[in-house]
Amino acid sequence: TQLLEQSPQFLSIQEGENLTVYCNSSSVFSSLQWYRQEPGEGPVLLVTVVTGGEVKKLKRLTFQFGDARKDSSLHITAAQPGDTGLYLCAGDKSDKLIFGTGTRLQVFP
Amino acid sequence: GAGVSQSPSNKVTEKGKDVELRCDPISGHTALYWYRQSLGQGLEFLIYFQGNSAPDKSGLPSDRFSAERTGGSVSTLTIQRTQQEDSAVYLCASSLERQHNSPLHFGNGTRLTVT
Repeated sequence: TQLLEQSPQFLSIQEGENLTVYCNSSSVFSSLQWYRQEPGEGPVLLVTVVTGGEVKKLKRLTFQFGDARKDSSLHITAAQPGDTGLYLCAGDKSDKLIFGTGTRLQVFP
Repeated sequence: GAGVSQSPSNKVTEKGKDVELRCDPISGHTALYWYRQSLGQGLEFLIYFQGNSAPDKSGLPSDRFSAERTGGSVSTLTIQRTQQEDSAVYLCASSLERQHNSPLHFGNGTRLTVT
């Protein structure tokens, strides 16, 4: 049983389109992080959200933590080919960071 | 400073052999994690070290897997009698301390192929 489910699993879009990635769980997390991973490299942290309902923006990326701290979303506006990668959410549970199933994004020029 | 370093970057081994994977965390980082990633999917938690506390081994898939961290720094993940299903990328990460908002810094992983 996967603690954190991400959807969609795969996403292929054209440059300039908008998209939303979801990270859902039945468990409550004290915080949630989003990472992006490129081929051959380890994941790199994008953002950490801590408070229920919190919204953080990072240029064209908008992250939201659900009010109940069980889910999160990542919205990308006007996607660029440089946004291509594997997006991973990760929740803090009992001092361990548990990762989601991942969303592979491909942005075509 | 240097990031998390993992070696080897690639390892091909025959089924039944033992392998050792090494992780050099960022100097001063007290928390160290091992994860496994198959086919570009999400990361599967394996084991977690925090300072001098007993490690959290709850994610190790079988008793063929073990890990140690010597002197609170370098860590080695050992897989005995490797099986084909052990083939994956093994990622190591460290963080300054295990608070809920501490970012994890990952190495580039060791790609293990068991033939």
